[in-house]
Amino acid sequence: KAGVTQTPRYLIKTRGQQVTLSCSPISGHRSVSWYQQTPGQGLQFLFEYFSETQRNKGNFPGRFSGRQFSNSRSEMNVSTLELGDSALYLCASSLEEGGAFFGQGTRLTVV
Amino acid sequence: QKEVEQDPGPLSVPEGAIVSLNCTYSNSAFQYFMWYRQYSRKGPELLMYTYSSGNKEDGRFTAQVDKSSKYISLFIRDSQPSDSATYLCAMSAGGTSYGKLTFGQGTILTVHP
Repeated sequence: KAGVTQTPRYLIKTRGQQVTLSCSPISGHRSVSWYQQTPGQGLQFLFEYFSETQRNKGNFPGRFSGRQFSNSRSEMNVSTLELGDSALYLCASSLEEGGAFFGQGTRLTVV
Repeated sequence: QKEVEQDPGPLSVPEGAIVSLNCTYSNSAFQYFMWYRQYSRKGPELLMYTYSSGNKEDGRFTAQVDKSSKYISLFIRDSQPSDSATYLCAMSAGGTSYGKLTFGQGTILTVHP
């Protein structure tokens, strides 16, 4: 069974630009969550999508948004990038039980 | 105060030692408890998953949850150099919040040959 796939693995963007990250969950998983990981703040929850609807949202500004498609694939968008947005962005998929399974992440560097 | 507290270490042990990793939490709504292992530049890997209080064993790993004390532990027996990684505890409230995990800061573990 294929795991969670995130693309791209690495990105370098300039301040003010926007970026879109993609996540393909494990087949059959309808919940997809996004997290930001930084050395200072650790892993922080961004938002969760379930059956194409945002079900939970973390404490991040509106520049961070996402969506989920009918095949459960999800995208995350960050607009007007800031230097502080440099981080590892992780996607996780899950069923209603059994834990969440993470992808390898997208490392975003904002210069 | 953070909802989940985890000693960041670093923790350094000799090969073969028993390792104890711990987290405390403040949100009594948490029902699902997980431990992840994360190698450098990789995504977190799910090690153990527990619902509510009790113990769960899987090979060299044992997870314990004490909801009355809001305290969870992960024990690693016969530790190996390949266990050197960052260990993260995570928890969620379940129901419609199941997919929202709250993580500890992670403990950096080094196992010396």
